[in-house]
Amino acid sequence: DAKTTQPNSMESNEEEPVHLPCNHSTISGTDYIHWYRQLPSQGPEYVIHGLTSNVNNRMASLAIAEDRKSSTLILHRATLRDAAVYYCILRNNSGGSNYKLTFGKGTLLTVNP
Amino acid sequence: DAGITQSPRHKVTETGTPVTLRCHQTENHRYMYWYRQDPGHGLRLIHYSYGVKDTDKGEVSDGYSVSRSKTEDFLLTLESATSSQTSVYFCAISHSGQNTGELFFGEGSRLTVL
Repeated sequence: DAKTTQPNSMESNEEEPVHLPCNHSTISGTDYIHWYRQLPSQGPEYVIHGLTSNVNNRMASLAIAEDRKSSTLILHRATLRDAAVYYCILRNNSGGSNYKLTFGKGTLLTVNP
Repeated sequence: DAGITQSPRHKVTETGTPVTLRCHQTENHRYMYWYRQDPGHGLRLIHYSYGVKDTDKGEVSDGYSVSRSKTEDFLLTLESATSSQTSVYFCAISHSGQNTGELFFGEGSRLTVL
């Protein structure tokens, strides 16, 4: 499986934008980029996913580099509730592994009041 | 919120005893997964199911077995629990196995093996 690299931790201030980077230099053409987050003492929750074009939803935006070797999850106005571990994951349909997500260690986001 | 219930939510047991964790869903999703989460390792896939009676191993399946006799239930069994299986276990479900499908996770089951 193609791997992703994320910073171990990042810090932000409340009500400011947050840009969470992810490098995936070995991404293949059929890999979708997924983001999940895990709030303290909870299971992970889906945030957003994309293939080539930038994506927006109510939670966040996903900016994907033109060469797809990196992506950035953007939280437009961080709140204290956004403090969580954010996981960047690649998912593809090849080799029968399409059913499952492989999680890395993610980025621990701290939001300061 | 996705209808996923894990039971028990907390369990303390002794080495060598059998343990079964249950994941119950009300979403009629085809795919179900068991993950474990440990400090320093993140989430690791134990087993998954792509239909009733259809299961396969994940990356850390040794010491675990699963069963899925009906769509809504996915059971994870530790035949003889060991201290290394002390962990938080998460069940997840997905309606699609395609690379665009999202997973919905339960709240976790914390297992302590003494």
